[in-house]
Amino acid sequence: KQEVTQIPAALSVPEGENLVLNCSFTDSAIYNLQWFRQDPGKGLTSLLLIQSSQREQTSGRLNASLDKSSGRSTLYIAASQPGDSATYLCAVKEGGADGLTFGKGTHLIIQP
Amino acid sequence: DAGVIQSPRHEVTEMGQEVTLRCKPISGHNSLFWYRQTMMRGLELLIYFNNNVPIDDSGMPEDRFSAKMPNASFSTLKIQPSEPRDSAVYFCASSAGGSYLGTQYFGPGTRLTVL
Repeated sequence: KQEVTQIPAALSVPEGENLVLNCSFTDSAIYNLQWFRQDPGKGLTSLLLIQSSQREQTSGRLNASLDKSSGRSTLYIAASQPGDSATYLCAVKEGGADGLTFGKGTHLIIQP
Repeated sequence: DAGVIQSPRHEVTEMGQEVTLRCKPISGHNSLFWYRQTMMRGLELLIYFNNNVPIDDSGMPEDRFSAKMPNASFSTLKIQPSEPRDSAVYFCASSAGGSYLGTQYFGPGTRLTVL
């Protein structure tokens, strides 16, 4: 059974720092991997989706990489801002499965 | 587009009562998912519909849970009878073109509290 782990569980950094969030998955036979953002009391917002054939995706200050063979993905946030404070969730989609398997998230706080 | 719409946003009920959660997917999306989020277990898929047909309900925890999708624009998740351990946030999500093709768009969730 696929398991997705996110490290660290929580992170607090000063504004302006570059930071990396980590995601690992146990079964490398994935179809794609998504990073989501969840604000308190809100739903999930998709940030980046990486297909299994891709190595990385970029959107603004966000860059996500995927190393499928090692079962790892990272989300890089450049020049962090207080508005980036949220919980970041990593989710994988396995071939043949239709839903997503989620990690438990990294709770990020950017200090002004 | 208004995005995925869920109602109610909050529901407080007593153990043993029936609870019905509602979802309106994004227009044109043909895949719909129900997820449950708890502190202990995180986000878990409950059931998935494609073209209004339930495809995978292996995540539905017990027979007390049932889901329907009578048409492309509406789905319900029902819990009968409800129990305190059902307390969680329930999310509905939809995607276009079959679930393989990409992003799932999530609704704001329904926070359910069973006393």
